[in-house]
Amino acid sequence: AQKITQTQPGMFVQEKEAVTLDCTYDTSDPSYGLFWYKQPSSGEMIFLIYQGSYDQQNATEGRYSLNFQKARKSANLVISASQLGDSAMYFCAMREGYTGGFKTIFGAGTRLFVKA
Amino acid sequence: DTAVSQTPKYLVTQMGNDKSIKCEQNLGHDTMYWYKQDSKKFLKIMFSYNNKELIINETVPNRFSPKSPDKAHLNLHINSLELGDSAVYFCASSAGEGSGELFFGEGSRLTVL
Repeated sequence: AQKITQTQPGMFVQEKEAVTLDCTYDTSDPSYGLFWYKQPSSGEMIFLIYQGSYDQQNATEGRYSLNFQKARKSANLVISASQLGDSAMYFCAMREGYTGGFKTIFGAGTRLFVKA
Repeated sequence: DTAVSQTPKYLVTQMGNDKSIKCEQNLGHDTMYWYKQDSKKFLKIMFSYNNKELIINETVPNRFSPKSPDKAHLNLHINSLELGDSAVYFCASSAGEGSGELFFGEGSRLTVL
């Protein structure tokens, strides 16, 4: 079963506008972590933002914020004031416990295109 | 200094060959991983090591054999390469098994002909 779902294969946004990338997750573990990573066309994976399941406040890092709706099991990434350099693949990920330890699993990704 | 470094960056080889990818991290992290990213960009965990001990083996064919000589190194050896092994292989590390974000290497693009 899909544990991390990113329903938007591709998104377009105008430069300087805000954009929301959707992510829903499924877990029965009460303790988990949610992450967003960016993968530009050059291929490297860049960590953007983290939200713990017990964190009361939504995480923010510069122009990135995570809209955490625990009851809905959603962890959407909001990018404010989009820049051309934001064009990339964006992956939502979840770290959860399992028998034997923890693992981080990824969604299928959303490709973001920022238009000038 | 690159935090997580992988070599080689590119590998092109014939079916049936054996190849290795090396990974080193200088972050002092306890946990290291191998992920496979396929042509559709889907990232799947393959292995995880914590302090040289294998803790995750995600039903990967036994043609894939990871080795961790120490906690700063995690290598991946692949025997009898198949066309479906073509992918980008990412090494990553984290401070601990259940803590912190993943720090990724640049990836190793393997092409099997």
